[in-house]
Amino acid sequence: DADVTQTPRNRITKTGKRIMLECSQTKGHDRMYWYRQDPGLGLRLIYYSFDVKDINKGEISDGYSVSRQAQAKFSLSLESAIPNQTALYFCATSALGFSEQFFGPGTRLTVL
Amino acid sequence: GNSVTQMEGPVTLSEEAFLTINCTYTATGYPSLFWYVQYPGEGLQLLLKATKADDKGSNKGFEATYRKETTSFHLEKGSVQVSDSAVYFCALGVITGTASKLTFGTGTRLQVTL
Repeated sequence: DADVTQTPRNRITKTGKRIMLECSQTKGHDRMYWYRQDPGLGLRLIYYSFDVKDINKGEISDGYSVSRQAQAKFSLSLESAIPNQTALYFCATSALGFSEQFFGPGTRLTVL
Repeated sequence: GNSVTQMEGPVTLSEEAFLTINCTYTATGYPSLFWYVQYPGEGLQLLLKATKADDKGSNKGFEATYRKETTSFHLEKGSVQVSDSAVYFCALGVITGTASKLTFGTGTRLQVTL
């Protein structure tokens, strides 16, 4: 079984809809991250969390919110989706004291 | 701030050709350096890493050496295969306090043909 899982893997939605992307991990890591990937831009950090009580904005947090329901679960929400949020979204985890991150398989989101 | 610059793709090679993908970085402190690979339709997988100057990371025939004097971490492979076709991302990682941050390059697409 994969260490970092994301659901759904693909989602098509309409402008203005609320969407939640979910991430679960079995690695026992405290740190969790959400990124988006756009062609030619690499990966950009949306939010990150160091434990269930700690949430931090990344470089592109506008239009997104997150919830850390447990050590193993970290959800990303788009309150009112817009077409320029069409992208590939990745969840990642890391252990305390290590900069290496482990990625989920990604969620491809299309906003029409 | 920290930044990573890697060569633009796509890079197209014939099978068994030599591969180099250039990566340079700007960072404060002492970052770790990584190469991640993304195969079509999949997430990012760590390919190799180096945590200090002059370290060489290697995996699956790929190598990269952490060069502090040239702030580079170029990816090389002596003989590529069709199965190496993927997007390769160079990244630097820093830990500041309890924060672990990765900064990615924009990715280089490699296409290997028979």
